[in-house]
Amino acid sequence: GQQVMQIPQYQHVQEGEDFTTYCNSSTTLSNIQWYKQRPGGHPVFLIQLVKSGEVKKQKRLTFQFGEAKKNSSLHITATQTTDVGTYFCAGPETNDYKLSFGAGTTVTVRA
Amino acid sequence: DTGVSQDPRHKITKRGQNVTFRCDPISEHNRLYWYRQTLGQGPEFLTYFQNEAQLEKSRLLSDRFSAERPKGSFSTLEIQRTEQGDSAMYLCASSLNREVSFFGPGTRLTVL
Repeated sequence: GQQVMQIPQYQHVQEGEDFTTYCNSSTTLSNIQWYKQRPGGHPVFLIQLVKSGEVKKQKRLTFQFGEAKKNSSLHITATQTTDVGTYFCAGPETNDYKLSFGAGTTVTVRA
Repeated sequence: DTGVSQDPRHKITKRGQNVTFRCDPISEHNRLYWYRQTLGQGPEFLTYFQNEAQLEKSRLLSDRFSAERPKGSFSTLEIQRTEQGDSAMYLCASSLNREVSFFGPGTRLTVL
């Protein structure tokens, strides 16, 4: 079945620094979705990318969908303590209704 | 609040007991999903409803698990004869057709 992998599993960042987390799918995706889960919380939808090579920005967050639609990245600039949490990417399986999630990248920030 | 709601938020039970969780999706959403999340992992798909019809069950869902969505609105997930391995966060999500899914706050189950 479809597998979604994320690296790194953990990201320890100095406040103010930039970092990138990567997501790779074993199959071509119709779209890729990113969610953020704060400690003790539930996944909260951030963004959906649909087109090959698509780039979307949300303030300090930049999301990119690969040309082959099998990978994606999330880049955060000038990391803040509010960025703490686990970032998941997820792609719909071919039957379109269920999402396959990666294991997430857990971000901690050193002030 | 018009988001997805789940009840209870926490459940502690003894091994062998039955538990039932409820999910109220966003009102206009016709699709409802149940996922399970264990520590350090992403959510894993359990089952899916299109209106009141349950269209798929994951192999993760043993015969001790059953889910219903009788009127195409709220859904319940029941676990019979709970085992310690059932301890997890049970997440409900809803969507309008192929639109993105919105998750509820989850029910954290602890089986002693």
